[in-house]
Amino acid sequence: GQNIDQPTEMTATEGAIVQINCTYQTSGFNGLFWYQQHAGEAPTFLSYNVLDGLEEKGRFSSFLSRSKGYSYLLLKELQMKDSASYLCAVSTSTSGTYKYIFGTGTRLKVLA
Amino acid sequence: GAGVSQSPSNKVTEKGKDVELRCDPISGHTALYWYRQSLGQGLEFLIYFQGNSAPDKSGLPSDRFSAERTGGSVSTLTIQRTQQEDSAVYLCASSTAGSFNNEQFFGPGTRLTVL
Repeated sequence: GQNIDQPTEMTATEGAIVQINCTYQTSGFNGLFWYQQHAGEAPTFLSYNVLDGLEEKGRFSSFLSRSKGYSYLLLKELQMKDSASYLCAVSTSTSGTYKYIFGTGTRLKVLA
Repeated sequence: GAGVSQSPSNKVTEKGKDVELRCDPISGHTALYWYRQSLGQGLEFLIYFQGNSAPDKSGLPSDRFSAERTGGSVSTLTIQRTQQEDSAVYLCASSTAGSFNNEQFFGPGTRLTVL
């Protein structure tokens, strides 16, 4: 089957670094996305990885290892506004049929 | 428009009634997606439209759910004979192409409550 696993909740301190892990088991891997979702709001795009390695974008970085079915999102210099859910999503394609599978999300709480 | 819009923002209905949810994608986006998000859960893929191609309906949970997209733009998700388990936030997203490699832009969602 197709499966994505993320921790349910994490807590970190303002100014710290936090790493949110995502493991996946899918067929026809087509890329991995991270989205941020504040409570009561729609998800917004953070990053996209299709090749192995680290993609850096400001305070946020995302890493992918396709052989291990593993990704992480790294948030540096945490701010209170980073308190949100972080959704890992995998794009898959099988026999020309595309799917977008989301994990249940990791709720991050940033404490002062 | 500036972003994806959805209407209504909230819908309360009685069990057994039909509901229609509307999505206006970003102008020029050819791909449109519907998702369902139950409280505290991740996003559940429902249906995907790409241009004028037949939609991928494989994620629809039952035959009570249907969707159409007129003129390659506005989409309507219809739920017939609503059940209490249909209560969720229904999110629409659009992207510039349908290869699922592109960033999806989400609308604010419609919160559906079935009493």
